[in-house]
Amino acid sequence: DQQVKQNSPSLSVQEGRISILNCDYTNSMFDYFLWYKKYPAEGPTFLISISSIKDKNEDGRFTVFLNKSAKHLSLHIVPSQPGDSAVYFCAGLWGGGADGLTFGKGTHLIIQP
Amino acid sequence: GAGVSQSPSNKVTEKGKDVELRCDPISGHTALYWYRQRLGQGLEFLIYFQGNSAPDKSGLPSDRFSAERTGGSVSTLTIQRTQQEDSAVYLCASSPYQAEEGYTFGSGTRLTVV
Repeated sequence: DQQVKQNSPSLSVQEGRISILNCDYTNSMFDYFLWYKKYPAEGPTFLISISSIKDKNEDGRFTVFLNKSAKHLSLHIVPSQPGDSAVYFCAGLWGGGADGLTFGKGTHLIIQP
Repeated sequence: GAGVSQSPSNKVTEKGKDVELRCDPISGHTALYWYRQRLGQGLEFLIYFQGNSAPDKSGLPSDRFSAERTGGSVSTLTIQRTQQEDSAVYLCASSPYQAEEGYTFGSGTRLTVV
């Protein structure tokens, strides 16, 4: 049972345009959602998070939107830059659970010049 | 060090041999997690340590897998009688008690079982 789903394995966006990465979840108990960015041969790095009681969180070029009724969140990157090319993982965190983050399978974002 | 350190970075082992993977978390982080990522898959939770509490082993795929954390710091993940399906990148992460601001991951150990 995949509790966090990233249905697009890859996404190609032109430099300077907006990148929108989508994530769906099934577990209503998640308290927080987090986005991680991963370059090849490196561990994931934390990017941005959002509490389940909010619908938007913004940090520079990165904005995460949460739609609880649809159990959907998205990460917007504006403007997209070549260094944004990486695999992006969406994750849910359940404060009441002890099993850490539940990750999606990731979306490979490719920024084209 | 400033980050989470994992060793070795790469390990090639023969099927049936035992391996040990090491994780040195950020000093002061009470929580430590092991994940693995197999080719084409997402990050799969393995085990979670929080302070001196008993670890949550619910993600370990079989009894060939075990982990310990000594003195609330360094952790070792042991895989006995390795199988080819154990080939993956094993990632360690640590966090302060409140994890909402994200975990800090190490660079991982790439394990190849031949």
